[in-house]
Amino acid sequence: GESVGLHLPTLSVQEGDNSIINCAYSNSASDYFIWYKQESGKGPQFIIDIRSNMDKRQGQRVTVLLNKTVKHLSLQIAATQPGDSAVYFCAENRDSGAGSYQLTFGKGTKLSVIP
Amino acid sequence: NAGVMQNPRHLVRRRGQEARLRCSPMKGHSHVYWYRQLPEEGLKFMVYLQKENIIDESGMPKERFSAEFPKEGPSILRIQQVVRGDSAAYFCASSPRPRGQGLAGGYTFGSGTRLTVV
Repeated sequence: GESVGLHLPTLSVQEGDNSIINCAYSNSASDYFIWYKQESGKGPQFIIDIRSNMDKRQGQRVTVLLNKTVKHLSLQIAATQPGDSAVYFCAENRDSGAGSYQLTFGKGTKLSVIP
Repeated sequence: NAGVMQNPRHLVRRRGQEARLRCSPMKGHSHVYWYRQLPEEGLKFMVYLQKENIIDESGMPKERFSAEFPKEGPSILRIQQVVRGDSAAYFCASSPRPRGQGLAGGYTFGSGTRLTVV
């Protein structure tokens, strides 16, 4: 089964409000976690990542929080804009056991911004 | 910098035909990764290649699927005798260094090839 998953499949947010997208993971051996944004017809686009030894990291308008106790990851988007509408995936980087590291993706949350 | 280039963008094949998907990594990147994405799903790892070497194919189906990354030219993902269940978006990513500990954000994805099997 999936080791990385999302709590909510869809999220609708008013333009200007803050968005919070959640993710649960089960593999405590992952060394870091990444959030990707995927717009329709495009490939995943890197947003922000966080190492497993951190609990918070901030970027431009985005913040990622990591709670290792409950194996929970969240992405916060401040002042959500129409251009933020997309599907958001969390992914974990972990040893595949086959000589390399792999990214394992969750199923994604579709964020819709209401103008 | 053209980024990761995948072609074709859309590919339609009849059941039993072969599908060839091509990926040219970013300039300076020698590590290529293929992922498959079913509708409403996340990406699933398939294979990791370096020039002329398959490093990790733990996500590849055992039959009908193969991948290569020759010394010259793009990486190719080949699907023989396609079936309807192969219909998906196939993404390629590249990186300048091996994917491993501490590599953050160095993984660039292409726009994908949408394969439809009819």
